[in-house]
Amino acid sequence: EPEVTQTPSHQVTQMGQEVILRCVPISNHLYFYWYRQILGQKVEFLVSFYNNEISEKSEIFDDQFSVERPDGSNFTLKIRSTKLEDSAMYFCASSGWDTRTDTQYFGPGTRLTVL
Amino acid sequence: GIQVEQSPPDLILQEGANSTLRCNFSDSVNNLQWFHQNPWGQLINLFYIPSGTKQNGRLSATTVATERYSLLYISTSQTTDSGVYFCALGRRDDKIIFGKGTRLHILP
Repeated sequence: EPEVTQTPSHQVTQMGQEVILRCVPISNHLYFYWYRQILGQKVEFLVSFYNNEISEKSEIFDDQFSVERPDGSNFTLKIRSTKLEDSAMYFCASSGWDTRTDTQYFGPGTRLTVL
Repeated sequence: GIQVEQSPPDLILQEGANSTLRCNFSDSVNNLQWFHQNPWGQLINLFYIPSGTKQNGRLSATTVATERYSLLYISTSQTTDSGVYFCALGRRDDKIIFGKGTRLHILP
């Protein structure tokens, strides 16, 4: 069964450093998402991406965050200057159409630890 | 925005017991999914169920959209069922909104 993959599984970084989290969505999917989950809390939406542009973003997704689909398979989340409060599990998801008609499939997550 | 409420917040059961997890929501939805987050943090898709009933092995789910709730049934629980169960909802935009989850502990 096709699945969403994410790398790395765990990233440790120093405060102020840039990080790039990588995702490979399911190959025929059109919509891509990033969510995050701070330890012990619920999963929160960050951003959705369709047709090579952001279609929606949350208030969490400020100027420190950016997303890119640099080629036909990868989808990346960049945090320019990490803060301690960016420590969380980051999930990538993809869907074939839109949320009205199709399931969002989630990757296994990248655990980001900012020291 | 839409509100999602899951109950109970915590549930402790003996192996072999049955359980019912509930998800209430405040408005109409076009997408409703149930996830299991395992102890390693992975989110596993269980059901896509904006309405109706589905079954997959020992798990089943029912959504009554007109009454704005969904139920997840787990029968004959196993220790591997432990973890957090999330309900997540979508409307006519892209994101899905997660509830706070039900933490399930199955004791051997």
